[in-house]
Amino acid sequence: DSGVTQTPKHLITATGQRVTLRCSPRSGDLSVYWYQQSLDQGLQFLIQYYNGEERAKGNILERFSAQQFPDLHSELNLSSLELGDSALYFCASSVTSGTGELFFGEGSRLTVL
Amino acid sequence: GQQVMQIPQYQHVQEGEDFTTYCNSSTTLSNIQWYKQRPGGHPVFLIQLVKSGEVKKQKRLTFQFGEAKKNSSLHITATQTTDVGTYFCAGLGGSNYKLTFGKGTLLTVNP
Repeated sequence: DSGVTQTPKHLITATGQRVTLRCSPRSGDLSVYWYQQSLDQGLQFLIQYYNGEERAKGNILERFSAQQFPDLHSELNLSSLELGDSALYFCASSVTSGTGELFFGEGSRLTVL
Repeated sequence: GQQVMQIPQYQHVQEGEDFTTYCNSSTTLSNIQWYKQRPGGHPVFLIQLVKSGEVKKQKRLTFQFGEAKKNSSLHITATQTTDVGTYFCAGLGGSNYKLTFGKGTLLTVNP
């Protein structure tokens, strides 16, 4: 158990819909990262927050947005969903930003039909 | 932007054989991390290398960071079935905070 909690574990929805994925980092970790994992693309970095502020942005689509709340939990919002958005979405947390190990949650598997 | 390439993509070995995966970055890295993801699981941190030419060992696993801090390798001696999984390298480049993952090497071990 990494201490990072992600909900929901599984989500099935239709194209065009909007979903929200939630992540609670390990106690004391200030950084939250979101990664997308699909079969052929490995772990694609989406976005990172540190203590409530956006710190780094990766290949995140404009249809996707995220935020980190004062209690440090984070949400990833995916809208106007397409079939290609089906993937495993991982949240990870770390104590600091930029160095040190990442602790990954178990992921949220999104299936878009 | 920064790219991290990892080879091979797949490796199948007989139990007891050695295994090596290589990681190359398009830019100089501040540090490199290695993770293991078991089938159906989530990535789990193995190690972080920071210094040029650094070599670290964890039992049968040996990790190296190149002198130029642009490449790294993970070598497993005498593989076991418990080594099965995907091994990812992840590089932190320069002044940005993006940890870029390679696509991983899927290791399967035949008992």
